[in-house]
Amino acid sequence: AQTVTQSQPEMSVQEAETVTLSCTYDTSENNYYLFWYKQPPSRQMILVIRQEAYKQQNATENRFSVNFQKAAKSFSLKISDSQLGDTAMYFCAFMMNPTFYSGGGADGLTFGKGTHLIIQP
Amino acid sequence: DTGVSQNPRHKITKRGQNVTFRCDPISEHNRLYWYRQTLGQGPEFLTYFQNEAQLEKSRLLSDRFSAERPKGSFSTLEIQRTEQGDSAMYLCASSFTGGNTGELFFGEGSRLTVL
Repeated sequence: AQTVTQSQPEMSVQEAETVTLSCTYDTSENNYYLFWYKQPPSRQMILVIRQEAYKQQNATENRFSVNFQKAAKSFSLKISDSQLGDTAMYFCAFMMNPTFYSGGGADGLTFGKGTHLIIQP
Repeated sequence: DTGVSQNPRHKITKRGQNVTFRCDPISEHNRLYWYRQTLGQGPEFLTYFQNEAQLEKSRLLSDRFSAERPKGSFSTLEIQRTEQGDSAMYLCASSFTGGNTGELFFGEGSRLTVL
């Protein structure tokens, strides 16, 4: 079974600052995906960014980028020029690559406990 | 398509009562998942369907819980004889295996409070 650890229960930064959220995971598998999901207050969870383990290049999506260190099993999220709308719970998640693993259940998506990010005006 | 829809959004019930939640996934998605989320925790997997087949259930899913997905479209999650420990947010998500991106699309959740 896979585990995902987010060691920062809460973080607070000023608007326009850069913030990095930490995530480590444990797996013996080699083909997997990593995700960061955002869950705003009382709203549904949405995908922020996705990384395929076989890709060495770090994924970027506008102001969001990751630092993927496969050997260290680390997957941090950097948010640049933070905005008030970035205030939310952020969850790091692990999934085995469905191309190689047909199971979608307990191995489908494993979440960390989340980091509550607060952007101060 | 407006995304994954869940009903009701909030349910307050007394211990011992039965409750049922409904999830309507994105129409072309063949996989449907149920997760449970308690305060301060990440979502925990409960069960998932591929089309109408329930392929896996977590050991978190006691005998009081049952899920169905008739005809491979909407799904229901029923909790019988509710207990206070069942109080949580129940999240539904759907995905399309054809794209193999792994992305799940979530609904807004159904919050259950058991008194």
